[in-house]
Amino acid sequence: AQSVTQLGSHVSVSEGALVLLRCNYSSSVPPYLFWYVQYPNQGLQLLLKYTSAATLVKGINGFEAEFKKSETSFHLTKPSAHMSDAAEYFCAVSPLGYQKVTFGTGTKLQVIP
Amino acid sequence: EADIYQTPRYLVIGTGKKITLECSQTMGHDKMYWYQQDPGMELHLIHYSYGVNSTEKGDLSSESTVSRIRTEHFPLTLESARPSHTSQYLCASNSGTETGELFFGEGSRLTVL
Repeated sequence: AQSVTQLGSHVSVSEGALVLLRCNYSSSVPPYLFWYVQYPNQGLQLLLKYTSAATLVKGINGFEAEFKKSETSFHLTKPSAHMSDAAEYFCAVSPLGYQKVTFGTGTKLQVIP
Repeated sequence: EADIYQTPRYLVIGTGKKITLECSQTMGHDKMYWYQQDPGMELHLIHYSYGVNSTEKGDLSSESTVSRIRTEHFPLTLESARPSHTSQYLCASNSGTETGELFFGEGSRLTVL
């Protein structure tokens, strides 16, 4: 069985500051890991995915995440927050990519001008 | 931009009514999914389909039913809506490749009075 824990249901950062959204996972087999973003009144959109090719994964809109097996973590970062980054972010895990995906509870990011 | 469409986007109905939430995708994906999303909660898989005439219940028990008569179409039906069914319903699909990226519709927000 797999699960995802996202630390912090709400995160606030100033515009231009570092964004760090935390995600820890558990999986009985090597996982595939994903970050999705949901803007208000929209569906989820894939930001980036880890599929064992490289531990540092770059995604859209300047986001990246690092897979750390020893810490079972897949934290999402962006060096400089922009107002348009305000959204809800979901971490997700799948033991094999095409199997059912398990999502975390989401983290709402607020960007303060 | 994903080609997966959900209608209606918003629906307010009275208790006891029958409703159908429509989901269509033009990507030719075999695998389609329905998730239920409530504030502060993880996305819960309620139904999935791996192809025409194939439907399965997900991890979260739901009184809704689904059908898959055509590859592109995956409607969800509630025979008798209740206030407990108030939620956002997200439809998703993927191509079945190992990486498992999900493409989501914009969601259908259902309110049962």
